[in-house]
Amino acid sequence: DAGVTQSPTHLIKTRGQQVTLRCSPKSGHDTVSWYQQALGQGPQFIFQYYEEEERQRGNFPDRFSGHQFPNYSSELNVNALLLGDSALYLCASSLTGGHGYTFGSGTRLTVV
Amino acid sequence: AQKITQTQPGMFVQEKEAVTLDCTYDTSDPSYGLFWYKQPSSGEMIFLIYQGSYDQQNATEGRYSLNFQKARKSANLVISASQLGDSAMYFCAMRLMDTGRRALTFGSGTRLQVQP
Repeated sequence: DAGVTQSPTHLIKTRGQQVTLRCSPKSGHDTVSWYQQALGQGPQFIFQYYEEEERQRGNFPDRFSGHQFPNYSSELNVNALLLGDSALYLCASSLTGGHGYTFGSGTRLTVV
Repeated sequence: AQKITQTQPGMFVQEKEAVTLDCTYDTSDPSYGLFWYKQPSSGEMIFLIYQGSYDQQNATEGRYSLNFQKARKSANLVISASQLGDSAMYFCAMRLMDTGRRALTFGSGTRLQVQP
């Protein structure tokens, strides 16, 4: 049973560019959340998707947007990249009504 | 707003000894869940243990136990019989049980190093 799959694993982008990160949830999970983890810090919640809609959003600017597809997979898009967007981006899936979260290994984004 | 505080940036423990990682939390909601995750250098967050705010007994999962003191708003993780493979970052997290607010709030983490 596959867990959460994230792609790509590493990415280098130039300031001002746009990036798309992808996440496939654990089989049976219908909710996807995204987190940003800067070096040496705990993860910060970006947003959560359920039934293809954004259900909750953290304190992140509109440059961060997302999408959830009918198969529950999800994308995180970041526009106009800043150096401060360099971080590990983690995807977590869960089942509505449950309390368990399964995390992927993350995408390490470096903005130069 | 919820807040998680982990006051130990780093901890050392000898192999086979027990270690306690501290976590305090702050919320005005009566219904919440508390989590501990392990993050090795690979980056993946590995779930260790969960405690609900209404659970009467402290949670245990193998070598992991959670010392839940509700009045003090603390949820310390106890690892018994430490192993070299336990060396990693450990994060305490919480979420509210309101289905509209399922985001996890994380602490800043504790780096545990197990010495042979």
